[in-house]
Amino acid sequence: QVQLVESGGGVVQPGGSLRLSCAASGFNFRYYGLHWVRQAPGKGLEWVAFISYDERSKYYTDSMKGRLTVSRDNSKNTMYLQMDSLKADDTALYFCARRGEIFGLLNYWGQGIPVTVSS
Amino acid sequence: EIVMTQSPATLSASPGERATLSCRASQSVSDNLAWYQQKPGQAPRLLIYGASTRATGIPARFSGSGSGTEFTLTISSLQSEDFAVYFCQQYNHWPPLTFGGGTKVEIK
Repeated sequence: QVQLVESGGGVVQPGGSLRLSCAASGFNFRYYGLHWVRQAPGKGLEWVAFISYDERSKYYTDSMKGRLTVSRDNSKNTMYLQMDSLKADDTALYFCARRGEIFGLLNYWGQGIPVTVSS
Repeated sequence: EIVMTQSPATLSASPGERATLSCRASQSVSDNLAWYQQKPGQAPRLLIYGASTRATGIPARFSGSGSGTEFTLTISSLQSEDFAVYFCQQYNHWPPLTFGGGTKVEIK
């Protein structure tokens, strides 16, 4: 079955950087675009980024634009999110997610990885 | 960016009661509207897509309706496992994908 496992989160100081990973299994990774979605403590869901199956399309939320780089390694079935110049407002649980048959739907989710930006 | 607005923020109901949750889009999203359920400590789970189609394995007590800018999620008879937070999401025009702020369904 489809499995998505995030890693790389933790505590970082304001202005610091983190690289999140999303390891996928149970499907043909190279055929699917993937998303990052985050959820601040006690808050709602915020879409963060998308990368197409072939890396030709990459999209980012305006709130983090210029500070994010999404990438993937199809040979390792893994997607990455490089986050730079982190702010306290970036503190959240970060999920990776995959569509089903419809672009924009988020049928499959990882369990999320916490990122805390604090001095 | 399409803004999604959910109401009420919190809905208090008893098991067995009917629950009606609303979602409004700032502009038409056609029927490209999904509903997700999220329980504490868990990832969201897709319930409804295409405004009214249940995802695989979702019980028939969950139903969705609407099109354009006004949508409704109805839980016909609340079960104990249905007390959770529900989010709507539009996928008609993205990026960005946008979510509503959520409705918490709590036990009365």
